[in-house]
Amino acid sequence: SQTIHQWPATLVQPVGSPLSLECTVEGTSNPNLYWYRQAAGRGLQLLFYSVGIGQISSEVPQNLSASRPQDRQFILSSKKLLLSDSGFYLCAWNHRILGNQPQHFGDGTRLSIL
Amino acid sequence: ILNVEQSPQSLHVQEGDSTNFTCSFPSSNFYALHWYRWETAKSPEALFVMTLNGDEKKKGRISATLNTKEGYSYLYIKGSQPEDSATYLCAPNGGSQGNLIFGKGTKLSVKP
Repeated sequence: SQTIHQWPATLVQPVGSPLSLECTVEGTSNPNLYWYRQAAGRGLQLLFYSVGIGQISSEVPQNLSASRPQDRQFILSSKKLLLSDSGFYLCAWNHRILGNQPQHFGDGTRLSIL
Repeated sequence: ILNVEQSPQSLHVQEGDSTNFTCSFPSSNFYALHWYRWETAKSPEALFVMTLNGDEKKKGRISATLNTKEGYSYLYIKGSQPEDSATYLCAPNGGSQGNLIFGKGTKLSVKP
């Protein structure tokens, strides 16, 4: 069966520090991969998605970047965190048939910026 | 960018009550609609993926209907139980790659 792992579960970082969140998927190949953020009082917002190694698309301009160095690995990064980067970050995957396949989510990372 | 509205924002019901919520979305360029259940301290869990106008799907006591022409979907829960307490998210496709656009969700609390 397929599983998705996301870490760390919680993270407290000072403003201006770097960030690296990692997500890995097991039990499937060539998945679509997604990074979402839920800021306080808001819905889930898609940040990045990837349909293959090295292929990253950004949905909104922001202080973050994403990379996909391996087929089942998706990394969310920042060189300098802002207060507005606080939120709950979720990684998700689905099979590479867009639109009619459900997405499967990791357990999320709660990021607090001080 | 799709504008997805879910109502009500929150709902408190007694165990055994039946309830329903609404998801509204633009009807143009429709591809599919997803429903997810997000329990506290867990990750969102897929309930349904609906594609055809008039679709009706059922999973236990939970069912959903879809009207793509007028741009809405209803989620029904029959005989609510405390374990149904969660935030229910809907997400139609949107964006150049057909990515999901999530509503803010309906938070359901079921009192025993």
